[in-house]
Amino acid sequence: AQSVTQLGSHVSVSEGALVLLRCNYSSSVPPYLFWYVQYPNQGLQLLLKYTSAATLVKGINGFEAEFKKSETSFHLTKPSAHMSDAAEYFCAVSDHRDAGNMLTFGGGTRLMVKP
Amino acid sequence: KAGVTQTPRYLIKTRGQQVTLSCSPISGHRSVSWYQQTPGQGLQFLFEYFSETQRNKGNFPGRFSGRQFSNSRSEMNVSTLELGDSALYLCASSLQGTGSNEQFFGPGTRLTVL
Repeated sequence: AQSVTQLGSHVSVSEGALVLLRCNYSSSVPPYLFWYVQYPNQGLQLLLKYTSAATLVKGINGFEAEFKKSETSFHLTKPSAHMSDAAEYFCAVSDHRDAGNMLTFGGGTRLMVKP
Repeated sequence: KAGVTQTPRYLIKTRGQQVTLSCSPISGHRSVSWYQQTPGQGLQFLFEYFSETQRNKGNFPGRFSGRQFSNSRSEMNVSTLELGDSALYLCASSLQGTGSNEQFFGPGTRLTVL
């Protein structure tokens, strides 16, 4: 069974500082990987996805993530945090061997941005 | 294009009752998935429907069921509600049924079981 681990349930950064949210997955084959963001009282919004093309993936709102097979990681970064980035972030994996959509999510990381 | 809509947004039920939640996917999307989100268990996959057929199912008891109609709208039903069923239920739709497709999420239905 696949699993996703997000290291750090809470991360706090200052406005303008680097954002680094960690995600490690376990899968017997390289899966599809996703980062979603959830704002309070809302659903999830896709930030970016990896589907076996370029290992460095750029997403919306200045976020990017790098797929590292040797480390089974897909960490999310943003060079400069903005107050509006405060939200909960979820890393997810989809095993492309299965037919259909079935995401396995990590536990989430709540990002706090200090002024 | 309208996003994924879920009704109702909030629901309060008592133990033992049953509940039906509705999800309207983005126009043209054929795959609808359901997820349960709780503080303790996080986001967990319930099931996925594609062209009116359940294609994948998560590890939930049989009290949780769903269906999809010919217009791709989907409903999920929970019978004999338990306190632990209190959660945010999220519906997501995607164009096709492959794992690489982006899933678009609705705002969720917050179910409270008293």
